[in-house]
Amino acid sequence: DSGVTQTPKHLITATGQRVTLRCSPRSGDLSVYWYQQSLDQGLQFLIQYYNGEERAKGNILERFSAQQFPDLHSELNLSSLELGDSALYFCASSVAVANTGELFFGEGSRLTVL
Amino acid sequence: DQQVKQNSPSLSVQEGRISILNCDYTNSMFDYFLWYKKYPAEGPTFLISISSIKDKNEDGRFTVFLNKSAKHLSLHIVPSQPGDSAVYFCAAAPTGSARQLTFGSGTQLTVLP
Repeated sequence: DSGVTQTPKHLITATGQRVTLRCSPRSGDLSVYWYQQSLDQGLQFLIQYYNGEERAKGNILERFSAQQFPDLHSELNLSSLELGDSALYFCASSVAVANTGELFFGEGSRLTVL
Repeated sequence: DQQVKQNSPSLSVQEGRISILNCDYTNSMFDYFLWYKKYPAEGPTFLISISSIKDKNEDGRFTVFLNKSAKHLSLHIVPSQPGDSAVYFCAAAPTGSARQLTFGSGTQLTVLP
């Protein structure tokens, strides 16, 4: 158990819809990262928050947005969903921002867009 | 453009033998490298890392080798155990990237009893 909690674990929805994925980081971790893993692909970095503020953006579509709340949990909002958005979405957390090191990943939220 | 490549989608090894997983990268700015292991229905978990100032890092049965001139790293598992069967992801980060890791596509390792 990494200590990172993601909900829901599975989600099935239709094209054009909007969904929200939720992540609670490990206790004490201030940084939250979102990654997308499509079929047979590596994990693609989407976005990072640190203590409530956006820190870095990766390959995140404009239809996607995220935020980190004062209690440090984070939500990833995916709108106008397309078939290609079907993927595993992982949240990860870490203590600090600047130094490299390990991330602690949640179990992921599997999104299926029909 | 895949900056981190794991060219072998799968690898099968007999229990007790050595497993060697390979990873190539193209970005010269990468200076920190990690291996993550992932079991089905779980998130990736950190396994071992290496900084570019080293060419080898060892942790028990796991050793990571880095060849900067070839932009290549490898993970050696000796001896391999059935519990090592998992997907292994190579990841890399440039200096000061605050852990915005670039991941490879993973290699499925199967250790046969």
